Amino acid sequence: EAQVTQNPRYLITVTGKKLTVTCSQNMNHEYMSWYRQDPGLGLRQIYYSMNVEVTDKGDVPEGYKVSRKEKRNFPLILESPSPNQTSLYFCASSRDLGQPQHFGDGTRLSIL
Amino acid sequence: QKEVEQDPGPLSVPEGAIVSLNCTYSNSAFQYFMWYRQYSRKGPELLMYTYSSGNKEDGRFTAQVDKSSKYISLFIRDSQPSDSATYLCAMRRSGYSTLTFGKGTMLLVSP
Repeated sequence: EAQVTQNPRYLITVTGKKLTVTCSQNMNHEYMSWYRQDPGLGLRQIYYSMNVEVTDKGDVPEGYKVSRKEKRNFPLILESPSPNQTSLYFCASSRDLGQPQHFGDGTRLSIL
Repeated sequence: QKEVEQDPGPLSVPEGAIVSLNCTYSNSAFQYFMWYRQYSRKGPELLMYTYSSGNKEDGRFTAQVDKSSKYISLFIRDSQPSDSATYLCAMRRSGYSTLTFGKGTMLLVSP
């Protein structure tokens, strides 16, 4: 089954404790992306990757890092999480830039 | 002016009704238009994907794009309780990967 898998689905942690949210897709997609979804603000892009070792900033990259060492994986790293990064995070992928993106089921992060 | 405007609802309709969901946008460079459906605690699921102006139909769903008015619509015929969800419009410019989303309209279809 074609899917985008995120882990963990839920996480409560404390300010400053580094965390990584993993994202993996099994569709051999070139393009992957991270979004955060906040009430009243909608979905906003954090980072995206056009292919292995190619990443770029989206609209709200501050406080986040990403890496794309393999085609299937695109982890989101919060080096020093802060409460304003409490949000619902989605990973998405598509075959290439021109194709619509398919989303994972989300990771709800709470940073105290 | 926000780039993409979408009424948050909720929009409540009885089962079997025709539903009209809409977005307006300000950036005339948008060329690709999408509608996503999002159930509670799930990720957005692609419903419709259209390029430039015109209509596209898929089962009970019809997407319309009017670039001259900067207005896109999603029509749902014979609405079902299982259609109850939040509907997000999204759009992007040609050659760019970034999607710009509306904030979503919550739809409630009552039996």
